Amino acid sequence: SAVISQKPSRDICQRGTSLTIQCQVDSQVTMMFWYRQQPGQSLTLIATANQGSEATYESGFVIDKFPISRPNLTFSTLTVSNMSPEDSSIYLCSGRLAGGSEQFFGPGTRLTVL
Amino acid sequence: AQTVTQSQPEMSVQEAETVTLSCTYDTSESNYYLFWYKQPPSRQMILVIRQEAYKQQNATENRFSVNFQKAAKSFSLKISDSQLGDTAMYFCALLRYNNNDMRFGAGTRLTVKP
Repeated sequence: SAVISQKPSRDICQRGTSLTIQCQVDSQVTMMFWYRQQPGQSLTLIATANQGSEATYESGFVIDKFPISRPNLTFSTLTVSNMSPEDSSIYLCSGRLAGGSEQFFGPGTRLTVL
Repeated sequence: AQTVTQSQPEMSVQEAETVTLSCTYDTSESNYYLFWYKQPPSRQMILVIRQEAYKQQNATENRFSVNFQKAAKSFSLKISDSQLGDTAMYFCALLRYNNNDMRFGAGTRLTVKP
């Protein structure tokens, strides 16, 4: 199994600023993912974080808005850039072990943009 | 295309009773995994149960069991002897073999009443 932690757990930010969310895994995971979740809603995949290369973004999400880094197998960051109130959401980090199907999830980062 | 449908946005059950959550899915693949994830209020998402499509036997984990009907593309979750701690959002999810993208349903909010 894998334990995933995220920092910060929550933040309140001003419009136009940027926030970087950190995701740390206690095991080497081959796949890491970033999701967005409105409270009480389902998960929307933002991107797959690839080690040492550019992330793979889903339709509707772009690198300029959500730059992602993944320098090694246990760490990734997601930046929410030039924030607007529409970016208020919960951001979840997730990982999958090599050869495994189960995805493990972080506790989420609750972002509020004023 | 892959889709996962949960037609019950909310359900409630009395403590100690049994409840069944419905999930249907659509995929053209023959090899895939199905999952039920639990997300308690303000807590981390965790795996409840997993089913591999090639296995005919329904998966069971203690009080949780599934009714997997491959031909009908149905994957329901039965919770027996419901407990207050079962109160959560439950998400059905589909993952194709050798694929990165886990697809989630809209979720069912389950409330266990004392």
